[in-house]
Amino acid sequence: EPEVTQTPSHQVTQMGQEVILRCVPISNHLYFYWYRQILGQKVEFLVSFYNNEISEKSEIFDDQFSVERPDGSNFTLKIRSTKLEDSAMYFCASSEASGGQETQYFGPGTRLLVL
Amino acid sequence: AQTVTQSQPEMSVQEAETVTLSCTYDTSESDYYLFWYKQPPSRQMILVIRQEAYKQQNATENRFSVNFQKAAKSFSLKISDSQLGDAAMYFCAYRPYTGANSKLTFGKGITLSVRP
Repeated sequence: EPEVTQTPSHQVTQMGQEVILRCVPISNHLYFYWYRQILGQKVEFLVSFYNNEISEKSEIFDDQFSVERPDGSNFTLKIRSTKLEDSAMYFCASSEASGGQETQYFGPGTRLLVL
Repeated sequence: AQTVTQSQPEMSVQEAETVTLSCTYDTSESDYYLFWYKQPPSRQMILVIRQEAYKQQNATENRFSVNFQKAAKSFSLKISDSQLGDAAMYFCAYRPYTGANSKLTFGKGITLSVRP
């Protein structure tokens, strides 16, 4: 069964450094999402992406964050200058269509630790 | 804004027994979807079950069923005949029915352990 994959599984970085988290969505999916979960807290929506542009973003998704689909398979989340509070598990998801009924398929996550 | 609350951080169940995981939510919408996702250790979240708010009948998927109480804004998950493979983190999630706003709003999750 097709799966969403994410790399790396773990990333340790110094505060102020740039990180790029990578995701390969399911191949025929058109909608892409990033969520994050700070340890002990809720999974929070960051951004949704369709047709090479952002559909919606949360308050968390400020100018330090950006997303890109650089080729036909990858979907990336870049954090330009990491802060301690960016330490979290980051989940990528994809869906075939938009709307309430479709299923979002999640990747296994990237655990980011900012020191 | 919509909120989803899972007040129990952990639960434990004996293998072959039944367990119920609680979830409440708050919304002003009348139509929406509710989901339970399962996340095994070091694995991705997978959809367990989905409920459309306009349907009165509770959703069922094999050993998994929900008790959807719309007026009370409650959406609990019942796992029957629990198996060792059911041990995981379970997340309750909400999504509006229509519109481009397809984001999921999650609860904090509950860790379920299954005792052999």
